[in-house]
Amino acid sequence: DQQVKQNSPSLSVQEGRISILNCDYTNSMFDYFLWYKKYPAEGPTFLISISSIKDKNEDGRFTVFLNKSAKHLSLHIVPSQPGDSAVYFCAADVWGSGGSNYKLTFGKGTLLTVNP
Amino acid sequence: SAVISQKPSRDICQRGTSLTIQCQVDSQVTMMFWYRQQPGQSLTLIATANQGSEATYESGFVIDKFPISRPNLTFSTLTVSNMSPEDSSIYLCSVDQSGGGEKLFFGSGTQLSVL
Repeated sequence: DQQVKQNSPSLSVQEGRISILNCDYTNSMFDYFLWYKKYPAEGPTFLISISSIKDKNEDGRFTVFLNKSAKHLSLHIVPSQPGDSAVYFCAADVWGSGGSNYKLTFGKGTLLTVNP
Repeated sequence: SAVISQKPSRDICQRGTSLTIQCQVDSQVTMMFWYRQQPGQSLTLIATANQGSEATYESGFVIDKFPISRPNLTFSTLTVSNMSPEDSSIYLCSVDQSGGGEKLFFGSGTQLSVL
């Protein structure tokens, strides 16, 4: 049973346009969400995160939106650049009152291709 | 941010053999983790490598198959034992420097192919 789902294996957008990557989760205990970016032959790198007490977090061109009622989050990249072409992983964590349990649950990833 | 060196970067192994993957961090870290990404699948946590004690394994992973060493706060190894083609995956070492598990730093991974 996959608790974090990225239903689009791939996405292609034009340079300068918006990229929207989606992620759904089923475990209502998840209260912290992260996005990681992975280039070929490299490990994933942390991109942006959001706590369940927020519905939006922004960092430069990257914005993550969280809809708790729908158990859905999305990553918006505006404007998209060719260097953004990578695999993007959504991940979820359970913090609760004791902090992180250090066990991130990842989605399968979405391959983003930004065309010049 | 932590700099993580993982070796080997890739290997092709024969069925029934074992491979040891090394992970070296440029600073002392408390929490080190080993993940696996099978083809077309998500990253899955294998175990947490604890310094000075046995690793803590996730459901579905056992010490006999994936023995882990953590001799100090900057180094860990993962061995994939008695390999079969189903073990063909990317294996990733990661560390948590934030102290809150909110973000991990990953090594570049080991691409393992088992024939």
